[in-house]
Amino acid sequence: DGGITQSPKYLFRKEGQNVTLSCEQNLNHDAMYWYRQDPGQGLRLIYYSQIVNDFQKGDIAEGYSVSREKKESFPLTVTSAQKNPTAFYLCASHRGPSGGYTFGSGTRLTVV
Amino acid sequence: AQSVTQLGSHVSVSEGALVLLRCNYSSSVPPYLFWYVQYPNQGLQLLLKYTSAATLVKGINGFEAEFKKSETSFHLTKPSAHMSDAAEYFCAVRPLNAGNMLTFGGGTRLMVKP
Repeated sequence: DGGITQSPKYLFRKEGQNVTLSCEQNLNHDAMYWYRQDPGQGLRLIYYSQIVNDFQKGDIAEGYSVSREKKESFPLTVTSAQKNPTAFYLCASHRGPSGGYTFGSGTRLTVV
Repeated sequence: AQSVTQLGSHVSVSEGALVLLRCNYSSSVPPYLFWYVQYPNQGLQLLLKYTSAATLVKGINGFEAEFKKSETSFHLTKPSAHMSDAAEYFCAVRPLNAGNMLTFGGGTRLMVKP
């Protein structure tokens, strides 16, 4: 079945390290998104990409970077510049104008 | 800018009782509307969507939502709550002429008491 795979499910990072979260989809969707979710809060958009080799900053892009070299893949790097990276990260993709987003199962990042 | 408001960050109901989760949007033109459910440590799953067809939309797990243009609302209901319905619910909106971007509400955590 088609879907979005996020890995790893749990990730621990030492302060000062960069880490990369993987997001892969086999839905043939053009648009992909990264969201951050903190306890008791909604979804905040980090980055999005509407097409291969192009991406745009969302509301909270500082301290994060992305790439979109392939349609299927949209990895997110959490850099050492992100001061409070502990959160649940969700990747999503989108099919068309009337469709909703399809979400991955998330990656929980913890700074130790 | 488009916005969506979910009234009540926490809602508690007894098992078997009616579930009503409220969602209001701001738009002069009826947008596409969605409800998602999120279980702990999981991604969001689409419950149902409104795309300008029938105003009463039926979704999975016995949920439904009614689009009311006059009230700019898209409230989610279920006649009888089950323990397995305990989760967080998000309403989302996308304007018809604004590409693919969804705007999410702040979420409502539904608790079901035995």
